[in-house]
Amino acid sequence: QLQLQESGPGLVKPSETLSLTCTVSGGSIRSSTYYWAWIRQSPGKGLEVIGSMYYSGSTYYNPSLRNRVSISADTSRNQFSLKLSSVTAADTAIYYCGTYSDYLKWYGPWGQGILVTVSS
Amino acid sequence: DVVMTQSPLSLPVTLGQPASISCRSSQGLVHSDGNTYLNWFQQRPGQSPRRLIHRVSNRDSGVPDRFSGSGSGADFALKISRVEAEDIGVYYCMQGTHWPHTFGQGTKLEIK
Repeated sequence: QLQLQESGPGLVKPSETLSLTCTVSGGSIRSSTYYWAWIRQSPGKGLEVIGSMYYSGSTYYNPSLRNRVSISADTSRNQFSLKLSSVTAADTAIYYCGTYSDYLKWYGPWGQGILVTVSS
Repeated sequence: DVVMTQSPLSLPVTLGQPASISCRSSQGLVHSDGNTYLNWFQQRPGQSPRRLIHRVSNRDSGVPDRFSGSGSGADFALKISRVEAEDIGVYYCMQGTHWPHTFGQGTKLEIK
């Protein structure tokens, strides 16, 4: 059974880069079955898709974040990562990693989520 | 972006009674491949969202048959035939037809 777990700092200073890692177990990140996705949830914006990547390296980013976001994979560790630059308080949210099925066009399973607060 | 509007935002229900949630999209959700990618998720307190229904009316594996989805075009609904205690949480619709994919603001189902 596929399981995902987010990790990274829970506090990031304004203007710095948020970096999170998702460790995948029960399946290979090289699988062609899924895309690997990041979604965030905040009281102000609700659930927001950040973007996803395919095992081939193709990436798809929400246009609202495209200039600041990067998703990449470390196949040797079966992990994928999120980097979000120039963060502000508006980026404070619970960040989830998960899978995306392009066949059904939906997300899941999801990790348990990690709260990231942007504050000095 | 496609705006997904749910109603009501809060839904007090009596156990054993039915419940219904509406979801409307600002654009039609029929994809160029002919499918309608309207999905429903459940988020129980303290948990991450869980898949419920895909492509309007198809339950995910393990989802009880008291959950059903319906609708077409830009107007959709999630129905629970008889609410059980484990159904308490927030329900979200999500469209996967247009990029970026977007979610509704959520409907909180609570016991009356």
